Amino acid sequence: DAGITQSPRHKVTETGTPVTLRCHQTENHRYMYWYRQDPGHGLRLIHYSYGVKDTDKGEVSDGYSVSRSKTEDFLLTLESATSSQTSVYFCAISEPPLGSPLHFGNGTRLTVT
Amino acid sequence: AQSVTQLDSQVPVFEEAPVELRCNYSSSVSVYLFWYVQYPNQGLQLLLKYLSGSTLVKGINGFEAEFNKSQTSFHLRKPSVHISDTAEYFCAVRLTNKLIFGTGTLLAVQP
Repeated sequence: DAGITQSPRHKVTETGTPVTLRCHQTENHRYMYWYRQDPGHGLRLIHYSYGVKDTDKGEVSDGYSVSRSKTEDFLLTLESATSSQTSVYFCAISEPPLGSPLHFGNGTRLTVT
Repeated sequence: AQSVTQLDSQVPVFEEAPVELRCNYSSSVSVYLFWYVQYPNQGLQLLLKYLSGSTLVKGINGFEAEFNKSQTSFHLRKPSVHISDTAEYFCAVRLTNKLIFGTGTLLAVQP
C-alpha cells in the first residue's frame, strides 16, 4: 500500500492510559495525515503534517497530539485514552499538488476499555 | 466551508445490474473530487479523481463518475456490477491541505 506501514495493527488499552500510534512511509511524501473512521461518520481528519515539525489540526483534534521529527514518521498520541477514542485509525500520505490523491495505510484498530 | 454528502448509506443491487452512488458537495471555490473504495478490513484505494477538463472521469474496475458543476454533484456509476464490487465507497473533496470525506455508501451486490 504505497509504502505505508502502521503500527500496531491492533491495540486494546484501558481508559486513562497513553497510547502512541506510528505511521512510517518509504515514499518521501511531504504530507502525512491521521484520520479516524467510525460507522456513520466516514473518515474524519485528526491532524496532518505538511513537513518535518510542521503540523496542523483537523476537525476532530481534541484529545490527540502528533509529532513529526523525520520525513518518514508521523506519530499520533492519545495522552489519556477514552472510550470515545475507540476507532480505526488510518494514516495517509500525499504530495503537495492539490490534485494528488492520498494513499492510505491499512489502519490500526484501537479499543479503549 | 466545504462538505460532502453521500445520501445513501447502503445500496443493495443484484449482480450484473447497473448502479449509481450519489455524491454532492458544497464549495465556494474550485474543487478537486475523488472516489475511494474500501474493501473489508483494508485501507482506502483510489478509484478515480476529477481535477479539471472532461466532466466524465473513468477509473479502475469499470467505474466512472460525472462532474456536474451546476448541480454540485459527482455521482459514481458502473454499468454492470460484480459480487467483487461489494465494498464501501467514499466520495471526497480536497481543499488546500485537507481531504474531506463523505460518510460512505455500502454497495452490497447480491447474486
